[in-house]
Amino acid sequence: KAGVTQTPRYLIKTRGQQVTLSCSPISGHRSVSWYQQTPGQGLQFLFEYFSETQRNKGNFPGRFSGRQFSNSRSEMNVSTLELGDSALYLCASSLSDTEAFFGQGTRLTVV
Amino acid sequence: KQEVTQIPAALSVPEGENLVLNCSFTDSAIYNLQWFRQDPGKGLTSLLLIQSSQREQTSGRLNASLDKSSGRSTLYIAASQPGDSATYLCAVRGSWGKLQFGAGTQVVVTP
Repeated sequence: KAGVTQTPRYLIKTRGQQVTLSCSPISGHRSVSWYQQTPGQGLQFLFEYFSETQRNKGNFPGRFSGRQFSNSRSEMNVSTLELGDSALYLCASSLSDTEAFFGQGTRLTVV
Repeated sequence: KQEVTQIPAALSVPEGENLVLNCSFTDSAIYNLQWFRQDPGKGLTSLLLIQSSQREQTSGRLNASLDKSSGRSTLYIAASQPGDSATYLCAVRGSWGKLQFGAGTQVVVTP
């Protein structure tokens, strides 16, 4: 079966711009969560959606937002980009609070 | 607040030796614990999932144990191979949808 698909794989943006990342979970999975990975901070939880509802949110500023559609696909948006937002953004899907499967990530570079 | 620690941060072994990776967590109220592997610049690959009620889980050369009361998990990789070189991450699932990650153990297996 198809895995978790994240698009795009790479992005270069300028400070002040906004960006939207997409995640298609494994078919049948209703939970999608997002993580930011940086060399200094490691993997940090952004938020989690289950059946179109945000169930949990990490300690990130309001510039980071997300949503989930009825087909379970999820998008993450970052507005007013800062240099510190440069990171690998990872999406994970699971049936519920079970085994999490990750996508290959989106590498965002802010210049 | 849950904190996850992985020791050692890096490990280098000759091919054929067994690997022992440690993970500790401060809050024993977890749903499950998951071990992942990450290759440079890639996403996370799930290795093993241990439910909070389980003590052990095995898959091929991999064996993971969980002692929830003491807040510890150990991943054993038998007869290591150069292809096992990667960063290994443990993560505990607590509140809804959130995985709390350790910083990882970087493993190098030399031929």
